[in-house]
Amino acid sequence: SAVISQKPSRDICQRGTSLTIQCQVDSQVTMMFWYRQQPGQSLTLIATANQGSEATYESGFVIDKFPISRPNLTFSTLTVSNMSPEDSSIYLCSVEDPGQYYGYTFGSGTRLTVV
Amino acid sequence: GDSVTQMEGPVTLSEEAFLTINCTYTATGYPSLFWYVQYPGEGLQLLLKATKADDKGSNKGFEATYRKETTSFHLEKGSVQVSDSAVYFCALSLNNAGNMLTFGGGTRLMVKP
Repeated sequence: SAVISQKPSRDICQRGTSLTIQCQVDSQVTMMFWYRQQPGQSLTLIATANQGSEATYESGFVIDKFPISRPNLTFSTLTVSNMSPEDSSIYLCSVEDPGQYYGYTFGSGTRLTVV
Repeated sequence: GDSVTQMEGPVTLSEEAFLTINCTYTATGYPSLFWYVQYPGEGLQLLLKATKADDKGSNKGFEATYRKETTSFHLEKGSVQVSDSAVYFCALSLNNAGNMLTFGGGTRLMVKP
């Protein structure tokens, strides 16, 4: 199975600032997914990132707030911009894992607290 | 649209008790079904999956059977341990490349010694 290194694992940020989260995969993957898990809630897909094209955002999420980069087949970043306390969540990246038939592997998550 | 509904928690059991966490789904196509587990302070780990009707996924003593007729994928374990305490998520993905996961709301399991 693919191994994902996600960082930072946690951060406490001031409102109005931005945080960039990185995900590095140990194999080349076509699709990378970014999810948000609000406190005590399930996971909600933010966007899908393909290498070489703009990310596709789900309803309720916009590029200005959550810009995503996908410079190559093993790396992606998600930026949470102009943060407010409502952005306090766990953010997770995920890939469709070629080692798992229709399976998906997740990073360990970034626990973000905005104060 | 596609959706997953699972029983609300928390579910509290004593060690060695039998576990069932119900999961039902709605999908426009023929999905693959998954159970993910999230241990405290950690990310999600795939627990088991099934890709077609009547398949049974199993891992670590957990199992779930893909029931197309009842659109269900209930998670079961015959004897839970304290170490099984975690949040369990049922999820589906349509069998197309690049399809994301749709998650249920999660069920917190607490196992007491």
